[in-house]
Amino acid sequence: EPEVTQTPSHQVTQMGQEVILRCVPISNHLYFYWYRQILGQKVEFLVSFYNNEISEKSEIFDDQFSVERPDGSNFTLKIRSTKLEDSAMYFCASSDLTGQLTGELFFGEGSRLTVL
Amino acid sequence: SQKIEQNSEALNIQEGKTATLTCNYTNYSPAYLQWYRQDPGRGPVFLLLIRENEKEKRKERLKVTFDTTLKQSLFHITASQPADSATYLCALNDYAGNNRKLIWGLGTSLAVNP
Repeated sequence: EPEVTQTPSHQVTQMGQEVILRCVPISNHLYFYWYRQILGQKVEFLVSFYNNEISEKSEIFDDQFSVERPDGSNFTLKIRSTKLEDSAMYFCASSDLTGQLTGELFFGEGSRLTVL
Repeated sequence: SQKIEQNSEALNIQEGKTATLTCNYTNYSPAYLQWYRQDPGRGPVFLLLIRENEKEKRKERLKVTFDTTLKQSLFHITASQPADSATYLCALNDYAGNNRKLIWGLGTSLAVNP
């Protein structure tokens, strides 16, 4: 069964460092998303991406965050200068058109980011 | 803004019984409401969705109901098994512009004891 894959599974970084989280969405999906989940808290929407541009972003997704689809398969989330409060599990998700309308998303296993 | 509330207390049930989880939302009724399963340290896995104009939806041992008057969805697992032990998340579409983002409840932890 097709799946969303994410790397790295865990990254530890120093405050102020840049981090890039990578995702390979399901190949025939056109809509891509990043969500995050701070330990013990709700899953939170960060950004959605379609047709090589951001469709929507939340207030969490400030100038320190950026997304990119550098080639036909990868979808990346960059945090330019990490803060302690960026420590969380970051989930990539993808969907087809129906899923974009209904909320049926396919999630990766997540990248755990720890900022020291 | 829209908020979702799920039972914060863990639910412990005996194998074979029916588990019932509750999801309440505060504002508008969404066009779609979804239930996901999340295991510790893993990503959410989509289980079932229900549309605003549907009262009930079933899939194998799972059943979801949707009451827009009460602003509530119930999620049932019949003939529960220890493998059903996980956190179950309720989510709904927060319409904005031409795209949708999901907003999520905190989840209810279910433990099915053998």
